[in-house]
Amino acid sequence: ILNVEQSPQSLHVQEGDSTNFTCSFPSSNFYALHWYRWETAKSPEALFVMTLNGDEKKKGRISATLNTKEGYSYLYIKGSQPEDSATYLCASPGGGADGLTFGKGTHLIIQP
Amino acid sequence: DSGVTQTPKHLITATGQRVTLRCSPRSGDLSVYWYQQSLDQGLQFLIHYYNGEERAKGNILERFSAQQFPDLHSELNLSSLELGDSALYFCASSVDAANTGELFFGEGSRLTVL
Repeated sequence: ILNVEQSPQSLHVQEGDSTNFTCSFPSSNFYALHWYRWETAKSPEALFVMTLNGDEKKKGRISATLNTKEGYSYLYIKGSQPEDSATYLCASPGGGADGLTFGKGTHLIIQP
Repeated sequence: DSGVTQTPKHLITATGQRVTLRCSPRSGDLSVYWYQQSLDQGLQFLIHYYNGEERAKGNILERFSAQQFPDLHSELNLSSLELGDSALYFCASSVDAANTGELFFGEGSRLTVL
């Protein structure tokens, strides 16, 4: 069973500020790293899937980086908006067909 | 709307009973994954089916079983229910079995065991 850790557990950010949080995962036998955004009363939605060391992906104000050698990924949100309030989950599979092991998430609250 | 349909959305039942949760994947997706989210727990992987065949098992109890049918919909059967089985059960689909594509989640089935 993989150990996927996320920090911080929760984060309060002022509207307009930028923020970032971390996902750490085992660097051995790395296969892929997923980021999902989960709004209250909805279902998780994919943000990024990354597979290559050094990969950087961007979607609007949100971007992510991946370091498979040291086993971490950062998610960045630039100019936070109230609609960014959600739980952000990262996940990694043990192997190709295995289900994803999810971290417990970072609960982000954007304060107006 | 992710394109993944789960029924029922809510289910209340008693200990010892059996329930079936149903999932229709997104059109074209061959993989179906089942996840459980209990209080204070993250999403826990239960089982993965690809094109009708079981591909991987996670922390699925022996009282639970699943299958994927020729039309690719999947059912998760939970039997001899216990209070601790109360949880939100998600189904997710993806186009392949390799975990390099994103998962599309249904809205979940909330099971309450009394």
